[in-house]
Amino acid sequence: DVKVTQSSRYLVKRTGEKVFLECVQDMDHENMFWYRQDPGLGLRLIYFSYDVKMKEKGDIPEGYSVSREKKERFSLILESASTNQTSMYLCASMLGQGGELFFGEGSRLTVL
Amino acid sequence: RKEVEQDPGPFNVPEGATVAFNCTYSNSASQSFFWYRQDCRKEPKLLMSVYSSGNEDGRFTAQLNRASQYISLLIRDSKLSDSATYLCVGTNAGKSTFGDGTTLTVKP
Repeated sequence: DVKVTQSSRYLVKRTGEKVFLECVQDMDHENMFWYRQDPGLGLRLIYFSYDVKMKEKGDIPEGYSVSREKKERFSLILESASTNQTSMYLCASMLGQGGELFFGEGSRLTVL
Repeated sequence: RKEVEQDPGPFNVPEGATVAFNCTYSNSASQSFFWYRQDCRKEPKLLMSVYSSGNEDGRFTAQLNRASQYISLLIRDSKLSDSATYLCVGTNAGKSTFGDGTTLTVKP
């Protein structure tokens, strides 16, 4: 059974803290994605990666960075968390470039 | 204008009703289209792919009209368990863009 695992379901951080959100997939997919989901704004793409050490900006990359050192792992980094980054963060992976997205269960981040 | 736009909803229907969701997309380069279902506080999961020829899966029928840049989802004989948010998705070169979702509540 395919699986995308996000390391933390719930996090509470303070403004200015550095935050790491980890995502691991066991399907050997080349493509991995980070979205955030907010009420009234839907899912918005932050960053994505087509291969190890490759990264591409999505629609809202400001305030975020990513790391993909291994094929199965894609990390989202908030260098200095701000309250407007309070959100649900969803990691996903995809085989090829036009297929199904498999999502993790999400990480709900609250920045105080 | 958003790249993928959906009916805002919410849709509240009785069990057994037929309900249709519509979605338009502005990027004519989009190659693949999908409907995802998202239950409350859960991650989105694929419901079905959408093809120009139309495709059916039980009570669900999806249709793509490339000329009008329009996607639809029809649910027949609605069940209580169909209550969820339905997300329309267009994919271009591996990048997937989501609509904001339409919430469906099926009532007894």
